Amino acid sequence: EAQVTQNPRYLITVTGKKLTVTCSQNMNHEYMSWYRQDPGLGLRQIYYSMNVEVTDKGDVPEGYKVSRKEKRNFPLILESPSPNQTSLYFCASTSRREQFFGPGTRLTVL
Amino acid sequence: GENVEQHPSTLSVQEGDSAVIKCTYSDSASNYFPWYKQELGKGPQLIIDIRSNVGEKKDQRIAVTLNKTAKHFSLHITETQPEDSAVYFCAASGAATRMDSSYKLIFGSGTRLLVRP
Repeated sequence: EAQVTQNPRYLITVTGKKLTVTCSQNMNHEYMSWYRQDPGLGLRQIYYSMNVEVTDKGDVPEGYKVSRKEKRNFPLILESPSPNQTSLYFCASTSRREQFFGPGTRLTVL
Repeated sequence: GENVEQHPSTLSVQEGDSAVIKCTYSDSASNYFPWYKQELGKGPQLIIDIRSNVGEKKDQRIAVTLNKTAKHFSLHITETQPEDSAVYFCAASGAATRMDSSYKLIFGSGTRLLVRP
């Protein structure tokens, strides 16, 4: 079954404590993205990757890092989380036809 | 930069009625317009899309129309059912896209649709 998985699904942490949200896809897609979803703002792209070792900033990259060491995985890293990064995060894996979204990670930073 | 505005933010309809959600975009170079449905606790899922070379596309009870001159596009759901209740997002392909349109999308703010039984 074609799918995008994210872990963890829920995370509560404190300001400044580094965290990583993992994302994995089994569709052999080259292009992957991270979005955050906030009320009234829709989905905003944080970072994207066009292939292994190729990443670039999206529309709201401040405070985030990513890596793409292998095609299937695209982790999102928050080196020093802050309360304004409390949000719902989605990883997406993209074919020429559509973007396939993961189930989401709800992050709360206290 | 590219901007996509979506209205209304919430929409409540009686089962069996039609629902219409409207979006406008700012970049005249956008050429791909998908609609996503997000059910509670899940990620968005593509339900229909349209490219700029057509004005309308239909798939059973859902249809999308595109007016490139006015830079707006709409989602139409007929004979609504309770299972249509969800958040719907429109999107437009981003400016200066270097590859196929589906890769870089700018999303609207979402419409929460409630279908009352």
